[in-house]
Amino acid sequence: GNSVTQMEGPVTLSEEAFLTINCTYTATGYPSLFWYVQYPGEGLQLLLKATKADDKGSNKGFEATYRKETTSFHLEKGSVQVSDSAVYFCALPHNAGNMLTFGGGTRLMVKP
Amino acid sequence: NAGVTQTPKFQVLKTGQSMTLQCAQDMNHNSMYWYRQDPGMGLRLIYYSASEGTTDKGEVPNGYNVSRLNKREFSLRLESAAPSQTSVYFCASSEREWAFFGQGTRLTVV
Repeated sequence: GNSVTQMEGPVTLSEEAFLTINCTYTATGYPSLFWYVQYPGEGLQLLLKATKADDKGSNKGFEATYRKETTSFHLEKGSVQVSDSAVYFCALPHNAGNMLTFGGGTRLMVKP
Repeated sequence: NAGVTQTPKFQVLKTGQSMTLQCAQDMNHNSMYWYRQDPGMGLRLIYYSASEGTTDKGEVPNGYNVSRLNKREFSLRLESAAPSQTSVYFCASSEREWAFFGQGTRLTVV
């Protein structure tokens, strides 16, 4: 089935630094790709998505581009804030249907 | 909007005890899921239900049972809890490819 690999954390940055969290995938065809965020003590929330190759998903200053050539969906933000401290998960549908497969999560810590 | 509601939020069990984790969604979604989250292992799917009346095993179903009581509710039961089931459990629902998650149940088995 489809699978996703993302960089291990934790990633520690200073406020206003540039963020990249790498995600690569293995899939049949071109499924939608997702980034979820989990703030401390909460469940996962959809952060952004891209439904086809070359699409760019964006939300809250975060961006990710669906690149089929490199099978990647890296998450980026130009200037992180302390409030961005969370765990970020890359995900894609397992196979057909709605079930999602998640990467292992990357913890981001932003220091003032 | 309540979204996905899980109860309880925290639970401590003794080895061998049983309990049921409750989940309800108010978004009229067909699909519902139970995941567990362990340090360094991301989320792993325990069971899912594609629609009312159907349930299927996920990646780590052993030691668990589920019931899709109606379209809104999807419960997870531990018949005889083991320390290996200490984890954070998340219920989720979806209609399309993106899922909505509850706030989680932190379960400790001692």
